[in-house]
Amino acid sequence: GENVEQHPSTLSVQEGDSAVIKCTYSDSASNYFPWYKQELGKRPQLIIDIRSNVGEKKDQRIAVTLNKTAKHFSLHITETQPEDSAVYFCAAWDPTSTGNQFYFGTGTSLTVIP
Amino acid sequence: NAGVTQTPKFQVLKTGQSMTLQCAQDMNHNSMYWYRQDPGMGLRLIYYSASEGTTDKGEVPNGYNVSRLNKREFSLRLESAAPSQTSVYFCASSQYKGSNQPQHFGDGTRLSIL
Repeated sequence: GENVEQHPSTLSVQEGDSAVIKCTYSDSASNYFPWYKQELGKRPQLIIDIRSNVGEKKDQRIAVTLNKTAKHFSLHITETQPEDSAVYFCAAWDPTSTGNQFYFGTGTSLTVIP
Repeated sequence: NAGVTQTPKFQVLKTGQSMTLQCAQDMNHNSMYWYRQDPGMGLRLIYYSASEGTTDKGEVPNGYNVSRLNKREFSLRLESAAPSQTSVYFCASSQYKGSNQPQHFGDGTRLSIL
């Protein structure tokens, strides 16, 4: 099945700086890549997603880029704010998998220092 | 709309006890999922139900059973709880298992087995 690796596991940035989280995947058939934000004690919530026919997608301070050739995708957060502090998960959706189709990264704990 | 609702939010069990975690969604989704979340391991799929009347094993099904009661409800049962099942359990739903649409998560059940 698909294997998703996420780096770094922890990330600290100063308020106002940018944060970048990177995920790699193994199966070239994967074609949908959502990102989730999970605040402490809360549910994972979808913040942005990208499909394989698109190279980049932006939503205000958040952007995701996808490199299908290299099989990696990244989350970019600009002008970080303390409320961006959370754990971020990437995922890859593999349509060729008959069983589990969503594969999650292990998460990045982002701390924005005021 | 409440989205995905899980009960209970917290539970403490003794080894060997049984319990059922409840999940209901009001988004008319066809597919539902149970995950467990452990530190440093991301989300791991326990069982899923692609549609009403069907259930299948995920990555870590041992020690669990599930029931898709109807389109809205999907329960997870621990027949004889073990300390290794201490975890945070998330229920999720999506429109269809075979479509590249995001999953929507409940608030989670924090389960401790003593």
